[in-house]
Amino acid sequence: DGGITQSPKYLFRKEGQNVTLSCEQNLNHDAMYWYRQDPGQGLRLIYYSQIVNDFQKGDIAEGYSVSREKKESFPLTVTSAQKNPTAFYLCASSSGWGINEQFFGPGTRLTVL
Amino acid sequence: DAKTTQPTSMDCAEGRAANLPCNHSTISGNEYVYWYRQIHSQGPQYIIHGLKNNETNEMASLIITEDRKSSTLILPHATLRDTAVYYCIVRVLEGGSQGNLIFGKGTKLSVKP
Repeated sequence: DGGITQSPKYLFRKEGQNVTLSCEQNLNHDAMYWYRQDPGQGLRLIYYSQIVNDFQKGDIAEGYSVSREKKESFPLTVTSAQKNPTAFYLCASSSGWGINEQFFGPGTRLTVL
Repeated sequence: DAKTTQPTSMDCAEGRAANLPCNHSTISGNEYVYWYRQIHSQGPQYIIHGLKNNETNEMASLIITEDRKSSTLILPHATLRDTAVYYCIVRVLEGGSQGNLIFGKGTKLSVKP
């Protein structure tokens, strides 16, 4: 089945540690995105990539980093510089830019202890 | 900031039509109206989008007013599985950061037996 996978679903880390969240898609989509969601809030864009080997900062990129070395993969690293890393992280992809709908993964809930 | 205004919550009886309103009074001529929904602790799911004409698909209908300042998402026969947060989003057609989806807090729809 085609889709987006994120692993793991739940992740726990100690404060001060970097952690990398996985996002893989087999939809052959060019564009990929990372969002953060806090309880009772909407989604906020962290980073996006319109094409492989290129990515841009979103609205809340501070304390995060990404890479896009392969079309199907867009990992997100939450660094120790991120002040409040505990959140629900969602990855999405779309077949191109513009009006194309975004397909979302199931999300990773990160808890920093 | 989200460019849309939605009620915080709504209730609907199972089997009845659910009509979810959205105000987007500052919408530009090149912006589409998108609707997504998010079932608890899952990734958002695309529902429908439109520019100025009414649209219908297997999930829902989208009614956009003639002046495009507001729209209504209609779920014709709501089921318990339609209980979710529904997001109304306006999005430009062009690329760059303006092509991103900006999620507000949405409307929490509760479908009751």
